Amino acid sequence: GAGVSQSPSNKVTEKGKDVELRCDPISGHTALYWYRQSLGQGLEFLIYFQGNSAPDKSGLPSDRFSAERTGGSVSTLTIQRTQQEDSAVYLCASSLEGLETYEQYFGPGTRLTVT
Amino acid sequence: AQSVTQLGSHVSVSEGALVLLRCNYSSSVPPYLFWYVQYPNQGLQLLLKYTSAATLVKGINGFEAEFKKSETSFHLTKPSAHMSDAAEYFCAVTGYGNNRLAFGKGNQVVVIP
Repeated sequence: GAGVSQSPSNKVTEKGKDVELRCDPISGHTALYWYRQSLGQGLEFLIYFQGNSAPDKSGLPSDRFSAERTGGSVSTLTIQRTQQEDSAVYLCASSLEGLETYEQYFGPGTRLTVT
Repeated sequence: AQSVTQLGSHVSVSEGALVLLRCNYSSSVPPYLFWYVQYPNQGLQLLLKYTSAATLVKGINGFEAEFKKSETSFHLTKPSAHMSDAAEYFCAVTGYGNNRLAFGKGNQVVVIP
């Protein structure tokens, strides 16, 4: 079946602009995660959605970052007023449920470059 | 909170030789441990996981790992390296009540013909 998809695959933006990154999870997966992969920080958790519960935003690095998940499916990560340190690969993952032992399936990522 | 440590960012191994990637964890609750592989320009793919059943876990592509509580380790091994094993490997941990993956820095594996 179809895996996790993300768009765009690459995004180049100017410092100060806003960007939106999209994630389509595997159908039927109730849990959705965003992670960031950068050279300096490695792989970091950003935010977690589970069903209709309030999201766990504890990993978001600043208030310029926000995310939403509409209809329990597609998610959008928004970065406002982008900075050069936001340059990274943004990975989305989904799992059947939000249990600690469940495999998280990752998308191919969106590579964001802020110039 | 949970964390993992992977030493040696780059690992070179000869084709046919043993692959050994080390992972040590720290966790205040019983840990669940994962090894993921990332090929260039791709997402992460699960190799294997430990979720408190058997301590010796077998995964895909001939990889296996052993959970050793006394050593707080979850090292990944493969008896004979293949050229297709060249990739980056990440150890990660979750714990009871915490489903956010905490990743190590990764090991870039190079296979020498």
